[in-house]
Amino acid sequence: GQNIDQPTEMTATEGAIVQINCTYQTSGFNGLFWYQQHAGEAPTFLSYNVLDGLEEKGRFSSFLSRSKGYSYLLLKELQMKDSASYLCAACSGGYQKVTFGTGTKLQVIP
Amino acid sequence: NAGVTQTPKFQVLKTGQSMTLQCAQDMNHEYMSWYRQDPGMGLRLIHYSVGAGITDQGEVPNGYNVSRSTTEDFPLRLLSAAPSQTSVYFCASSDTGGNTGELFFGEGSRLTVL
Repeated sequence: GQNIDQPTEMTATEGAIVQINCTYQTSGFNGLFWYQQHAGEAPTFLSYNVLDGLEEKGRFSSFLSRSKGYSYLLLKELQMKDSASYLCAACSGGYQKVTFGTGTKLQVIP
Repeated sequence: NAGVTQTPKFQVLKTGQSMTLQCAQDMNHEYMSWYRQDPGMGLRLIHYSVGAGITDQGEVPNGYNVSRSTTEDFPLRLLSAAPSQTSVYFCASSDTGGNTGELFFGEGSRLTVL
């Protein structure tokens, strides 16, 4: 089966750094996605990790540890527009079932 | 390119009615899928397709049918709508089914079943 856990809500201050954690238990695991979803909108792609380690993309970085079933999304220099839900999703199976966690709603405050 | 286009954006149905949510993509993606999103539940996979003529069930397939007669189109059919199917539905596509490619989502279809 598939099980993905992430915190429901987080609050952080503008300009700060926030780390959103995700743990997963997924059979046939291929890789780990992070998506951003603003309220009332569709999810948009942030990152995809296949190998262990940190991948940096501008203000956003994503980390994966396959042995621990753990990932995190790191957001630096937070901006008000970063207030959104962040969805962790595990990719598995021979042809890609993508299973999403329930999402972490991040509120950035001044 | 329009990307992934879903219609309708909003729909209200009565219990027992049937309807089809349309999804079309113009990126020549082989992989297409349907998700529903409910508060506190996240996105749940309903059905997916890895190419024309091939479909498979996701986590929550009951009450829904799909077909994939062309690469571009992947309609989702509600056979007999129930209030439990009130949700936001997202269609998504990918050129490698998520192995290395991101999912591109449509804008969503908001369905209310009374």
